[in-house]
Amino acid sequence: KAGVTQTPRYLIKTRGQQVTLSCSPISGHRSVSWYQQTPGQGLQFLFEYFSETQRNKGNFPGRFSGRQFSNSRSEMNVSTLELGDSALYLCASNLGGTGFIGANVLTFGAGSRLTVL
Amino acid sequence: SQELEQSPQSLIVQEGKNLTINCTSSKTLYGLYWYKQKYGEGLIFLMMLQKGGEEKSHEKITAKLDEKKQQSSLHITASQPSHAGIYLCGALLNAGNNRKLIWGLGTSLAVNP
Repeated sequence: KAGVTQTPRYLIKTRGQQVTLSCSPISGHRSVSWYQQTPGQGLQFLFEYFSETQRNKGNFPGRFSGRQFSNSRSEMNVSTLELGDSALYLCASNLGGTGFIGANVLTFGAGSRLTVL
Repeated sequence: SQELEQSPQSLIVQEGKNLTINCTSSKTLYGLYWYKQKYGEGLIFLMMLQKGGEEKSHEKITAKLDEKKQQSSLHITASQPSHAGIYLCGALLNAGNNRKLIWGLGTSLAVNP
């Protein structure tokens, strides 16, 4: 079956612009999580969506937002870009279960590399 | 400080050598995941551990979770250039609606032929 697909893979923006990243999860996966990865901070959790509802949220400013559609596809948006937003943005999907550890195994996409100039 | 400490931060080994990466938490973990990441790409799931004392192996990689469920190790036997990449541990704290997934900063592994 197809993996997690993220688009675009690479993009360059300038400060003040906004960006929208897209994620198509594995078929049947209802949960989509977004992460920001930078060399210094590692993998930082942005938010998780399940059945079109935000279920968990990390400690990021309101400039970072997301949504999930009825087909489980998800988008995240970053407004008023800053230089520090340059990072690899990773999307991951899973079944969405809250108990069984196996249901929490995340399948990651290849990421969207954002460079802010 | 990091909730999940990984060591070493980076590692360079000669092909054929064994190596160990550690992942330590100050809290008891509900579950532990190991992933591998090729530079600039997504994470690939390797193994998950849940029970204290559990050990799993896949090909030349073995992961263990200690009895107290606070420390895990990833051991690679007879390393190969294909093992190069960044290894990350992720830990599940609690279950149910209070669950929280935390991550180590990763261990960068280079294998010289």
